[in-house]
Amino acid sequence: EPEVTQTPSHQVTQMGQEVILRCVPISNHLYFYWYRQILGQKVEFLVSFYNNEISEKSEIFDDQFSVERPDGSNFTLKIRSTKLEDSAMYFCASSSRKGVDETQYFGPGTRLLVL
Amino acid sequence: LAKTTQPISMDSYEGQEVNITCSHNNIATNDYITWYQQFPSQGPRFIIQGYKTKVTNEVASLFIPADRKSSTLSLPRVSLSDTAVYYCLVWGSARQLTFGSGTQLTVLP
Repeated sequence: EPEVTQTPSHQVTQMGQEVILRCVPISNHLYFYWYRQILGQKVEFLVSFYNNEISEKSEIFDDQFSVERPDGSNFTLKIRSTKLEDSAMYFCASSSRKGVDETQYFGPGTRLLVL
Repeated sequence: LAKTTQPISMDSYEGQEVNITCSHNNIATNDYITWYQQFPSQGPRFIIQGYKTKVTNEVASLFIPADRKSSTLSLPRVSLSDTAVYYCLVWGSARQLTFGSGTQLTVLP
């Protein structure tokens, strides 16, 4: 069964450093998403991406964040200058099409710890 | 976005059927109802989705009454490995999924 994969599984970084989280969506999917979950809290939407541009973004997704699809398979989330409060699990998701019966499939997540 | 309300927690025993009900009083005409399961430190896993009446797949059933203001996820014969958080979500025109706090299901031996 196809699945979303994410690397690395864990990332530790110093405050102020840049991090790039990587995702390989399911191969025939066209819509890509990033969510995050701070420990003990709800899963929160960050951004959706379609046709090489951002479709929607939340208030969390400020100028420190960016997304990119550098090639035909990877989808990345970059945090330019990490803050302590960026520590969270980051989940990538993908879906095949917009509209009826669309399902978002999530990856296993990257645990980011900012020190 | 339609707000959902579901129990914070539920306990069950192995082999029992578990029903988790979610209310979504302000669901819109174009909205679908989706349930996800999440284990600690893992990504949400899609379980089932429906629009109305009943939907069944290999792991669960979803019952949606005619007014669509609620839905019930039914897990037949749960096992210890079904211990997880279960999320009811309503989504429509917006691409983003809005997760609530979910229902922590604990299956006891």
